[in-house]
Amino acid sequence: DTEVTQTPKHLVMGMTNKKSLKCEQHMGHRAMYWYKQKAKKPPELMFVYSYEKLSINESVPSRFSPECPNSSLLNLHLHALQPEDSALYLCASSQEGSKGGELFFGEGSRLTVL
Amino acid sequence: AQSVAQPEDQVNVAEGNPLTVKCTYSVSGNPYLFWYVQYPNRGLQFLLKYITGDNLVKGSYGFEAEFNKSQTSFHLKKPSALVSDSALYFCASGTASKLTFGTGTRLQVTL
Repeated sequence: DTEVTQTPKHLVMGMTNKKSLKCEQHMGHRAMYWYKQKAKKPPELMFVYSYEKLSINESVPSRFSPECPNSSLLNLHLHALQPEDSALYLCASSQEGSKGGELFFGEGSRLTVL
Repeated sequence: AQSVAQPEDQVNVAEGNPLTVKCTYSVSGNPYLFWYVQYPNRGLQFLLKYITGDNLVKGSYGFEAEFNKSQTSFHLKKPSALVSDSALYFCASGTASKLTFGTGTRLQVTL
């Protein structure tokens, strides 16, 4: 069983909606990540938080807004999305980001934008 | 710069036969190499990693991988495949915050 919990598992939203994806881990990890994955493709890194601070933003459009309220929680706020943003959004965590530690992934939130 | 290549989109193997999923890498310096597995509609699960040390790395679910520096390869292997091993497998390289994934290989194990 995964120790990274993502909610909701499925989300359908219109292009004018505002919604949020949530992620939680209780492994004491200090780095957390958002990835976007299209069908049959590898995950693409979106954001990295290290010690609750945004350390990497892979040129993600501003309609995606990450937030790290504390060391266990990571949110992704969604606003004015486009149909091409439909994908599986994966949260992950690791002990920290700069070494060769493995990532622990959540089950993902499958987003459909109408 | 780090990159990995998975030359096969799909690998088919009969249950009980050995399986190999190929990965080659191109990195500067000492490579950090990983294998992850993704079952349908699920997140990725870590299988094993090579950081340093023994070239043969053992991981979860009976999988192992051999780091071969001369061939710049890190192939995933299992002596006897199970139908339940059918999934999408990703090779990856780099540190946790700068992980580069391969394109993935779909493993299909049939009875």
